[in-house]
Amino acid sequence: DAKTTQPPSMDCAEGRAANLPCNHSTISGNEYVYWYRQIHSQGPQYIIHGLKNNETNEMASLIITEDRKSSTLILPHATLRDTAVYYCIVRVAGTNAGKSTFGDGTTLTVKP
Amino acid sequence: ETGVTQSPTHLIKTRGQQVTLRCSSQSGHNTVSWYQQALGQGPQFIFQYYREEENGRGNFPPRFSGLQFPNYSSELNVNALELDDSALYLCASSPPASLPYGYTFGSGTRLTVV
Repeated sequence: DAKTTQPPSMDCAEGRAANLPCNHSTISGNEYVYWYRQIHSQGPQYIIHGLKNNETNEMASLIITEDRKSSTLILPHATLRDTAVYYCIVRVAGTNAGKSTFGDGTTLTVKP
Repeated sequence: ETGVTQSPTHLIKTRGQQVTLRCSSQSGHNTVSWYQQALGQGPQFIFQYYREEENGRGNFPPRFSGLQFPNYSSELNVNALELDDSALYLCASSPPASLPYGYTFGSGTRLTVV
């Protein structure tokens, strides 16, 4: 699986949009981009995924560049409960999905 | 719809002992993966089970082994525990992987080796 690069930390004001970048310059054509977050050493929580089109769900939006070498997770109106470590990973789908490589993620701190 | 359940939540073992951690996958999920997360680091992939067989393994020694049962629940066994095995062990399940679903993680088992 391709590796990802994320900034170690970011701050965001409550109520503002949080934009979390991820670089995955070695991504393969059949690899999806996934985002998870982890709060207080609980298990990671799935947020969103995409292949090449932008995606939106009730939690967030995912913007993937046309060359697929980077992406941005957008939390449109961050709340204090969004303070967490955010992980961007890339992996193939299918029964041979196997190894998912998590980096150290981005620690997002939402401030009042 | 139940989520992923792991047991026990916390465990203290002595160096050299053996430990078994358990995971019940989410209903309808037939693929289970195990991860080790040291303090301050991201989860590290240990191995994945699909249809009761291991079908992917990370960079972990053979003393880390697992099982998946017909009901898709799973066990992680670690023999000859070392101090560095102290970590949060996470289990994740996913549905039949014809589509790129995200994983559902359990809350983990905190293992302390003394």
